[in-house]
Amino acid sequence: AQKITQTQPGMFVQEKEAVTLDCTYDTSDQSYGLFWYKQPSSGEMIFLIYQGSYDEQNATEGRYSLNFQKARKSANLVISASQLGDSAMYFCAMSTASSGANNLFFGTGTRLTVIP
Amino acid sequence: DADVTQTPRNRITKTGKRIMLECSQTKGHDRMYWYRQDPGLGLRLIYYSFDVKDINKGEISDGYSVSRQAQAKFSLSLESAIPNQTALYFCATSTPQGPYNEQFFGPGTRLTVL
Repeated sequence: AQKITQTQPGMFVQEKEAVTLDCTYDTSDQSYGLFWYKQPSSGEMIFLIYQGSYDEQNATEGRYSLNFQKARKSANLVISASQLGDSAMYFCAMSTASSGANNLFFGTGTRLTVIP
Repeated sequence: DADVTQTPRNRITKTGKRIMLECSQTKGHDRMYWYRQDPGLGLRLIYYSFDVKDINKGEISDGYSVSRQAQAKFSLSLESAIPNQTALYFCATSTPQGPYNEQFFGPGTRLTVL
């Protein structure tokens, strides 16, 4: 079975500081992809970053980086130089080849609040 | 213009009513999905479709049905709405790239069943 766990319901960070949002996953597949999405208060789901299970380098996209530790089955999102606009819900998700649908399994999310 | 659109964006209805949520996309993707989001539960898959002739149940399909009218259109129906179907509903699309299934989401439909 596929499962994504996000243990931090809420996080606070000072503007301009870095913050790490935790994500652990469980799958018996060797081939899978890990994603992070941002959901602002307006409700839309915004894709942030992707990491493939065979990628040796950690993914980076601007101020976002994914700290991928395969042995520990963790895929933490690091946001550098936080901005007020980063305040939102953040969801970790996984897609596996064996799931049949290649659909996404989502965690329960972390609400990030950036403090001025 | 948005690549994935959903109508309506908000809907309030009464228990027992039939409701249809519509999704259209201009991305040319074959795969389309319907999710619901409840507070504290993340997103859960209701139905998915790989093409017009291929429709499959997801994790929580009971009480829902879908129709894939064309490659670009995927509708979700609640035959007889009940209050615990109050949720935020998302449509998403993707194109197959092995397990690297980045999905593109619509803006969501907020449904309230009284």
